[in-house]
Amino acid sequence: SQQGEEDPQALSIQEGENATMNCSYKTSINNLQWYRQNSGRGLVHLILIRSNEREKHSGRLRVTLDTSKKSSSLLITASRAADTASYFCAMVDSGTYKYIFGTGTRLKVLA
Amino acid sequence: NAGVMQNPRHLVRRRGQEARLRCSPMKGHSHVYWYRQLPEEGLKFMVYLQKENIIDESGMPKERFSAEFPKEGPSILRIQQVVRGDSAAYFCASSQTSLASETQYFGPGTRLLVL
Repeated sequence: SQQGEEDPQALSIQEGENATMNCSYKTSINNLQWYRQNSGRGLVHLILIRSNEREKHSGRLRVTLDTSKKSSSLLITASRAADTASYFCAMVDSGTYKYIFGTGTRLKVLA
Repeated sequence: NAGVMQNPRHLVRRRGQEARLRCSPMKGHSHVYWYRQLPEEGLKFMVYLQKENIIDESGMPKERFSAEFPKEGPSILRIQQVVRGDSAAYFCASSQTSLASETQYFGPGTRLLVL
């Protein structure tokens, strides 16, 4: 399967703690993106990291990419209850337009 | 600038009926993609269209499913003779170009329930 794998599948933390989600993939990629999906809602684009980048920050989000290990991580610092959602990584196969989504991590932040 | 619009947001059909899902891309975007998401799973690519053309339908079942993106109006994903296994969320995304470097912007999805 070309689908990306994410772990953990589910994560429950206390407000204020950091949350780390990992994504592994099999193909060669042009870039990797992270999306958030609130229950019953659409996908919201969080951050894009290109294959020649190793780390990127956006507010409380930090994304790393290791192309040699074909893996990426998303760190959410100082989590809030509003961060409760499912988080998906999505890879764009090199030279194509097709997004391959990870299986998702369901994050629950307890107030 | 409105984002990607999808309607209806929720659709209930009985087995054997037809389902029509609509997607209006972001202004200035001529590339539309449809994805399906089963419960507790990630999204899976179905079909990619440009205006009046199907570019890649490799992820779409060959029977009962069809898609179009006419010169005027929204893109339509049509499912004929729906079965319970078609119950899923269907997301549309759009982009300005087909470049792999470009972000696809997603609509809110249509949740189809087949009774």
